[in-house]
Amino acid sequence: AQKITQTQPGMFVQEKEAVTLDCTYDTSDPSYGLFWYKQPSSGEMIFLIYQGSYDQQNATEGRYSLNFQKARKSANLVISASQLGDSAMYFCAMKTFGGYQKVTFGTGTKLQVIP
Amino acid sequence: GAVVSQHPSWVICKSGTSVKIECRSLDFQATTMFWYRQFPKQSLMLMATSNEGSKATYEQGVEKDKFLINHASLTLSTLTVTSAHPEDSSFYICSAREGFAATRQETQYFGPGTRLLVL
Repeated sequence: AQKITQTQPGMFVQEKEAVTLDCTYDTSDPSYGLFWYKQPSSGEMIFLIYQGSYDQQNATEGRYSLNFQKARKSANLVISASQLGDSAMYFCAMKTFGGYQKVTFGTGTKLQVIP
Repeated sequence: GAVVSQHPSWVICKSGTSVKIECRSLDFQATTMFWYRQFPKQSLMLMATSNEGSKATYEQGVEKDKFLINHASLTLSTLTVTSAHPEDSSFYICSAREGFAATRQETQYFGPGTRLLVL
């Protein structure tokens, strides 16, 4: 079974500052992928960043970077230079590559950017 | 990127009626589609996985007779909530995957969701 844990139900960050959203995971499958999605109040899931379990380097996408520590089974999202539009729910998710490759989501972190 | 649409985006219905939600992949063929539900301030919970032309695989605790899934074509899957009750009120999100590629993150795309309110 696979499990995603997000221990921060809510976070505040000052505009233009960086923020780290925590995510730990558990799986016995050696091959997996880790995702972060943003869900604004409108509800749509917006893909942000992906890290494969065999990727040698940490993923980066613009202001988003993923701090992947495989031995600790953590995949924290770092948002640099926070903007007001970053206020949203953020979900960490994992996909293993067996079976139907379903994606399992964490409970989410609500980020609020303060002007 | 690929686009997945859902219809309707909002639906309000009376208790006891059935509601059909459509999920379409607009510019790719979705061999697999996933249906999630999300209660307010909670995470997405996978309800079922469907492959085109075969029966859906339901997650534990999800009633297959209650939530009927039909993946009739490579671009359309439908979720029918039968005899809906107020406790079925939720946000339903579909996602669609193109092909059987197992290593590319962009192979699964999410629809915008459908908000269901059962009175």
